[in-house]
Amino acid sequence: KNQVEQSPQSLIILEGKNCTLQCNYTVSPFSNLRWYKQDTGRGPVSLTIMTFSENTKSNGRYTATLDADTKQSSLHITASQLSDSASYICVVSAKEFSGGYNKLIFGAGTRLAVHP
Amino acid sequence: EAQVTQNPRYLITVTGKKLTVTCSQNMNHEYMSWYRQDPGLGLRQIYYSMNVEVTDKGDVPEGYKVSRKEKRNFPLILESPSPNQTSLYFCASSLTRGMNTEAFFGQGTRLTVV
Repeated sequence: KNQVEQSPQSLIILEGKNCTLQCNYTVSPFSNLRWYKQDTGRGPVSLTIMTFSENTKSNGRYTATLDADTKQSSLHITASQLSDSASYICVVSAKEFSGGYNKLIFGAGTRLAVHP
Repeated sequence: EAQVTQNPRYLITVTGKKLTVTCSQNMNHEYMSWYRQDPGLGLRQIYYSMNVEVTDKGDVPEGYKVSRKEKRNFPLILESPSPNQTSLYFCASSLTRGMNTEAFFGQGTRLTVV
């Protein structure tokens, strides 16, 4: 069964500190892995998309890593800011055999709170 | 500004009273879909549409209907809402359903069925 599991469920850090969020998946066949940021009461917004051949990808203070062998990904946030308080969702895209389409499988998210 | 717009943002209704949640995108995207988000669960796909007049069921379609008469609009219809459809709903669109295509989400509709 295709699944995406994220840890921790929630995390509190102080402003300026770094943190790392984890994502494990059992999705096959794998197409790509995405990280989204979801502010409270808003829709998810894309941070990164990584294909099988990409090990790391950055977007400002956000750096995502992918280990396709162990089926693990992480999202590292550097020098956190209050505006980083949000849920972070790991999404794995599975290939569908008919026509090269993808199906998105969503993790439940990690809720991050950055305190001053 | 490129965006996906859902209306209403908040809705409280009673069991059995038909309702429609609208979704519109201004990016000329072919692919649109509806998701629901429940506490502790990832987003689950309800219905999707590959293009005008082409729709198909997602993972949790029971109790929902959709239509795609125009490329930009993809309304979600609840013919007879029930309390288990209380949830946060998101509409999303992407250029195609291709493997590395970016998905854009609306701001969400919080539905409560009493």
